Amino acid sequence: SYDLTQPPSVSVSPGQTASITCSGDKLGGKYACWYQQKPGQSPVLVIYQDNKRPSGIPERFSGSNSGNTATLTISGTQAMDEADYYCQAWDTSTVVFGGGTKLTVL
Amino acid sequence: QLQLQESGPGLVKPSETLSLTCTVSGGSISSSSYYWGWVRQPPGKGLEWIGSIYYSGSTYYNPSLKSRVTISVDTSKNQFSLKLTSVTAADTAVYYCARLPSPTGSNWYFDLWGRGTLVTVSS
Repeated sequence: SYDLTQPPSVSVSPGQTASITCSGDKLGGKYACWYQQKPGQSPVLVIYQDNKRPSGIPERFSGSNSGNTATLTISGTQAMDEADYYCQAWDTSTVVFGGGTKLTVL
Repeated sequence: QLQLQESGPGLVKPSETLSLTCTVSGGSISSSSYYWGWVRQPPGKGLEWIGSIYYSGSTYYNPSLKSRVTISVDTSKNQFSLKLTSVTAADTAVYYCARLPSPTGSNWYFDLWGRGTLVTVSS
């Protein structure tokens, strides 16, 4: 089975840049997407097709995907960005999620 | 604006079958532009894909759950459903239904989610 690995936690100071990685075998050859989930809420798509932002997602969210690693970057991180973030990809007719990263803004 | 709403029992006994329905409102489930899917999240844990379905009935399932899962669609009611058999406490989770813009190649992602429903497996 295909695995996606994320760091359990990332910390960032307000206004700084946060980077959350997602690693998988030859992930750069697949499309990756990212979800934000705040406590008690449903996940929200923030990046799809490696680097595209859905309507309504702030420009400070960006994505990249190359080699074995996809990266979600949040520029000028705000307190409201504190949440769990999940990467997701598709492999062999299967949707695969990463284990999630808790982003703390402090 | 299209919305998804999960419904079904919040408590299921061990060894029984979990049944949930997702009602799509504000749009047609028969649109050729979308697949529909189920994702679950055990309390305090991450997301797990269960399976996805097209309005024609074509399905994809998580291999780890495939032997116990059936996803079906009822276009006349604009609904799709999940059945998970032989449940145990490990199946306790928030169950979400979600929409996938018609995937091409490996471009699968969920762009719209329901609010989720907690299903507890306990006697």
